[in-house]
Amino acid sequence: ETGVTQTPRHLVMGMTNKKSLKCEQHLGHNAMYWYKQSAKKPLELMFVYNFKEQTENNSVPSRFSPECPNSSHLFLHLHTLQPEDSALYLCASSQVAWVTDSNQPQHFGDGTRLSIL
Amino acid sequence: SQQGEEDPQALSIQEGENATMNCSYKTSINNLQWYRQNSGRGLVHLILIRSNEREKHSGRLRVTLDTSKKSSSLLITASRAADTASYFCATGSGNTPLVFGKGTRLSVIA
Repeated sequence: ETGVTQTPRHLVMGMTNKKSLKCEQHLGHNAMYWYKQSAKKPLELMFVYNFKEQTENNSVPSRFSPECPNSSHLFLHLHTLQPEDSALYLCASSQVAWVTDSNQPQHFGDGTRLSIL
Repeated sequence: SQQGEEDPQALSIQEGENATMNCSYKTSINNLQWYRQNSGRGLVHLILIRSNEREKHSGRLRVTLDTSKKSSSLLITASRAADTASYFCATGSGNTPLVFGKGTRLSVIA
């Protein structure tokens, strides 16, 4: 139990569907992250929220839309996805996003395995 | 780039042997972290070493950092089958996000 829960664990959707991924953390952290993990590629940071404010958006296509209603919950809304979007989507949290003298250790959920048909 | 690159990409050893993985990076960093990922699971933080530290230990883990060579190593002593996983280094400058490498896949054979 990492303290970060992601649902669903697996998702298969067509390119025209709309779905949402959910992440919840029970660690009292103030920063939450979405990452994309594809085979043989480095982990790609997608979005960062620090105290509910989005601080990072790494040129992610608009078909991915994040939402952070509070410090404990993070959503990733998906629509009109492409086959290359099939991947493992990981959520993480940390005490704060980063401070001037260090990056905080991140706690990850077990991910949502997304397959686009 | 700041991104760390792990070496080797894959490593296979016998149970009881030591496993050493290396991470190299290109720009100045403030801290370097190592994570483990078991198959089908998320990443788990193992250890953080700051740029002013040279070595840290945690149980069977030993991490070294050489900022002059821009490299770090993770040593797992007396490996067990349960250590089978992918290991990632992540580099940070303190005021920017962590950047992860592609990882080293470790297989420990019983």
